[in-house]
Amino acid sequence: DAGITQSPRHKVTETGTPVTLRCHQTENHRYMYWYRQDPGHGLRLIHYSYGVKDTDKGEVSDGYSVSRSKTEDFLLTLESATSSQTSVYFCAISHSNQPQHFGDGTRLSIL
Amino acid sequence: AQTVTQSQPEMSVQEAETVTLSCTYDTSENNYYLFWYKQPPSRQMILVIRQEAYKQQNATENRFSVNFQKAAKSFSLKISDSQLGDTAMYFCAFMKPLRLSGTYKYIFGTGTRLKVLA
Repeated sequence: DAGITQSPRHKVTETGTPVTLRCHQTENHRYMYWYRQDPGHGLRLIHYSYGVKDTDKGEVSDGYSVSRSKTEDFLLTLESATSSQTSVYFCAISHSNQPQHFGDGTRLSIL
Repeated sequence: AQTVTQSQPEMSVQEAETVTLSCTYDTSENNYYLFWYKQPPSRQMILVIRQEAYKQQNATENRFSVNFQKAAKSFSLKISDSQLGDTAMYFCAFMKPLRLSGTYKYIFGTGTRLKVLA
């Protein structure tokens, strides 16, 4: 299995609080991605990174920011969490044109 | 814009039977890749099979095979000798290179929930 660790695995928080999810990889892959998974929508891309400090928006980036200060870590931040951001969040990594490999997901509940 | 459509939200199949999951996509690209991922109740996303658009031969992986029809933009997954462990959500995904950033864009379908019955 690809070395991808997401933390935390589960989190419950309140509306308006900041939340940071972490994705850590040991594969030295260049590309890292954050998705959210919601019923009826499949996986939707939030942000992605193509190198250290190189990031770009995906299709559902509003309300989210990311940072990548080193190859192995890709952080997703919800500056002020809203109930609409309750979801399962997946990190994925890839190398060149190879398939993405996914972390185990983070279930985030915002009350 | 690229889209991926999985028109079967749910399917069921008897153990040991064969089932086919449908996927269609829309693109004007010529260079792209297609994948099927499996998501069991454990929530893990597991790569099942991969197909390069430039290859005419359909990909196979043990009991899993695809029927890739490039002109029709169709990419169906056939599971033979279905097993209880095949019960999962299956996602079809499309990937193409983005020339400007040198990265790759992935688009996922909404998934088909497959239940294998004993």
